[in-house]
Amino acid sequence: DARVTQTPRDKVTEMGQEVTMRCQPILGHNTVFWYRQTMMQGLELLAYFRNRAPLDDSGMPKDRFSAEMPDATLATLKIQPSEPRDSAVYFCASGPGVSTDTQYFGPGTRLTVL
Amino acid sequence: AQKVTQAQTEISVVEKEDVTLDCVYETRDTTYYLFWYKQPPSGELVFLIRRNSFDEQNEISGRYSWNFQKSTSSFNFTITASQVVDSAVYFCALISNTGKLIFGQGTTLQVKP
Repeated sequence: DARVTQTPRDKVTEMGQEVTMRCQPILGHNTVFWYRQTMMQGLELLAYFRNRAPLDDSGMPKDRFSAEMPDATLATLKIQPSEPRDSAVYFCASGPGVSTDTQYFGPGTRLTVL
Repeated sequence: AQKVTQAQTEISVVEKEDVTLDCVYETRDTTYYLFWYKQPPSGELVFLIRRNSFDEQNEISGRYSWNFQKSTSSFNFTITASQVVDSAVYFCALISNTGKLIFGQGTTLQVKP
């Protein structure tokens, strides 16, 4: 049963610290997405990649967030420096082809910035 | 602009009741796709269904059914004979060639025993 995996599942950190979240997409999927879920804003797309190339990161605060795909089995989302307003659940999703295909979500990383 | 509206914030039913979750969408694109996802208390997002804009045929999967009506821009989801395990937040979502999946705000369904 192929699944998207994310680590860590929970992260508590202090303001100003660097946070790195990792995602392993489903093997063979070539589209990867990062979302953020908050009570106020709901689910928001931060960035997405196809064949490891970034296609859209317009939803991401550029000054502190960065997303990369070092290889086909790993996507990372980094926040530096972190702020309390970054507290949210961050989801990674992967899809088999184009962006309109079904996206399969990982379990999420719950980030708390104190 | 694209938008998905789930007007029902919370619904509470008693087990075995039927329940319908409403979803209304806005898009100017002629080709688009609609989705439903389930988010149980454990937090993960579980894919339920994907439907393209050219296929208005209703779909049934076990106790779940979906009614897609382009004339009213709606894609409603019905659970028949609800069970406690159906308690979750349900999200309707829309994507077109913009490549961005737009989610509604979600409907929290509570099924009481």
